[in-house]
Amino acid sequence: AQSVTQPDIHITVSEGASLELRCNYSYGATPYLFWYVQSPGQGLQLLLKYFSGDTLVQGIKGFEAEFKRSQSSFNLRKPSVHWSDAAEYFCAIFNAGNNRKLIWGLGTSLAVNP
Amino acid sequence: GAGVSQSPSNKVTEKGKDVELRCDPISGHTALYWYRQSLGQGLEFLIYFQGNSAPDKSGLPSDRFSAERTGGSVSTLTIQRTQQEDSAVYLCASSLERGSQETQYFGPGTRLLVL
Repeated sequence: AQSVTQPDIHITVSEGASLELRCNYSYGATPYLFWYVQSPGQGLQLLLKYFSGDTLVQGIKGFEAEFKRSQSSFNLRKPSVHWSDAAEYFCAIFNAGNNRKLIWGLGTSLAVNP
Repeated sequence: GAGVSQSPSNKVTEKGKDVELRCDPISGHTALYWYRQSLGQGLEFLIYFQGNSAPDKSGLPSDRFSAERTGGSVSTLTIQRTQQEDSAVYLCASSLERGSQETQYFGPGTRLLVL
């Protein structure tokens, strides 16, 4: 069955520190992968996506993610976290075919200490 | 250049009442999706529209839930005889269908509270 796992429910980092949020997936075909961010009381904003090609993808707000097929992972990274990055982060995989939908991880809540 | 809009932004209703949630997708987007986000359940798929047709209704949690889309644009999600477990944030997304390489853009959501 297709699934997305975000092993870390909650992460706290200090402002200026580096960040890596983990995402693992289970999918039988070519994965189309996404990271979305949700600030408190807000909708979901697309950070970045991977469809094909270069396995290191750049997104908005200084985020990047690396697709590793051998590890079934799509981890999100940022070299230096800002206080405004505190939010909920969701990894998702697109299930194409007849049952088109995004399949979601449970999210990682990021807190940033000043 | 408006994004996806949803109304109302918040809705408080009494158990047993019907509610209608509206989604206005990005102009020209052919696909429209509804998801539900609730505590402890994460994000779950409800329904997908291709134009005005819904080929996949498998995510609707019960027969109290229905949805329609008209003119290939606006969609309405209706919940009849609301229950407390229906309390959640209902998110709408739209996209240009491009085979498998499709990006969904989300609205701000409707926060539903059933008392």
